[in-house]
Amino acid sequence: QKEVEQNSGPLSVPEGAIASLNCTYSDRGSQSFFWYRQYSGKSPELIMFIYSNGDKEDGRFTAQLNKASQYVSLLIRDSQPSDSATYLCAVKVSGSYIPTFGRGTSLIVHP
Amino acid sequence: DAGITQSPRHKVTETGTPVTLRCHQTENHRYMYWYRQDPGHGLRLIHYSYGVKDTDKGEVSDGYSVSRSKTEDFLLTLESATSSQTSVYFCAISERGGVMNTEAFFGQGTRLTVV
Repeated sequence: QKEVEQNSGPLSVPEGAIASLNCTYSDRGSQSFFWYRQYSGKSPELIMFIYSNGDKEDGRFTAQLNKASQYVSLLIRDSQPSDSATYLCAVKVSGSYIPTFGRGTSLIVHP
Repeated sequence: DAGITQSPRHKVTETGTPVTLRCHQTENHRYMYWYRQDPGHGLRLIHYSYGVKDTDKGEVSDGYSVSRSKTEDFLLTLESATSSQTSVYFCAISERGGVMNTEAFFGQGTRLTVV
């Protein structure tokens, strides 16, 4: 069974700090990795995707992928209260077009 | 924003009644998915479609059926609603099945309550 694991949190960080969100996956054949942000009562919104080992930066967001260790992380620099949300990690295995989601990590950024 | 519309947005229904949720897309994407989201369980796949009339089961398909007669519409039917099917239902679409450009985009969700 393909599994995607995330710490449910909540992760609480002060405004301006770096928030680090982690995700591990069980299937070594996984090739596509996605981070979604979900505000309370809203639908998930794609914020980052990564396919290759290493870092990928987009504004204040950095996705990090380590296939050997089977984890993907999301760093949010200069965290803002508006970043407070649940962050969902999703993984697609090679040969599959179906994303498998983790349960999400709740992030709280306090002023 | 991806053109995905779910209807209805909210519904209350009685146990034992059939219910159909609709997902309509204007992106001409090939792949469509139905997920349910519950506290403590995250997003769980119910059914998915990889083309017109091509559908398959996900991990929590019992009690649900789907149909896709047109590229733009994907219907989810609860054949006889039960209280355990009270949930938020999300439709999602994606364009490709390979590695690149495979991100999924979500509709606004349907909050279903079975009483």
